Amino acid sequence: AQKITQTQPGMFVQEKEAVTLDCTYDTSDQSYGLFWYKQPSSGEMIFLIYQGSYDEQNATEGRYSLNFQKARKSANLVISASQLGDSAMYFCAMRALRDFGNEKLTFGTGTRLTIIP
Amino acid sequence: KAGVTQTPRYLIKTRGQQVTLSCSPISGHRSVSWYQQTPGQGLQFLFEYFSETQRNKGNFPGRFSGRQFSNSRSEMNVSTLELGDSALYLCASSLEAANNEKLFFGSGTQLSVL
Repeated sequence: AQKITQTQPGMFVQEKEAVTLDCTYDTSDQSYGLFWYKQPSSGEMIFLIYQGSYDEQNATEGRYSLNFQKARKSANLVISASQLGDSAMYFCAMRALRDFGNEKLTFGTGTRLTIIP
Repeated sequence: KAGVTQTPRYLIKTRGQQVTLSCSPISGHRSVSWYQQTPGQGLQFLFEYFSETQRNKGNFPGRFSGRQFSNSRSEMNVSTLELGDSALYLCASSLEAANNEKLFFGSGTQLSVL
């Protein structure tokens, strides 16, 4: 079984500051993928960044980076230079990397991020 | 390129009725999966389809069913609606359904059961 834990229900951050959203996970799979999604009030889940369990480098996508610490089973999302448009719910998710692409995404409970002007 | 389209956007039903939700994936995507989002249970996996075949199913009662058509469009059906079925239902698609692929989500169908 897989489990994702996001311990920060809500965060308030000043505009232009960096922010770290925490995510820890638990799985018995040796090969897995970690995802971060953003959900604005419109409801759509927007993909931000992906990290494979065997990737040696931490993933980066523009202002987003993933601080992956495999031994600690953590996959924190770092947003640099936050903007007002970053205000949204953020979900950490994982998926087993087995042969067939039918594995479900297991989501955490999310962190509501509010950027203050 | 159009994104994942879900219709309708909002739906209000009463207990005991049935409902059908529709999802059109991104053109060329063959895998479609469905998730239920509620404040209490969060995001939970319903099922996944690839080339008209259901390949994976979550822990939901048989009242929840789905199908995928030859053009990859998918529908999910909930019969004998209960108050607890009120939720945002999200559809997601991906190209080849590899597990390291990102899923593209639609904006969801907000179902309210009265």
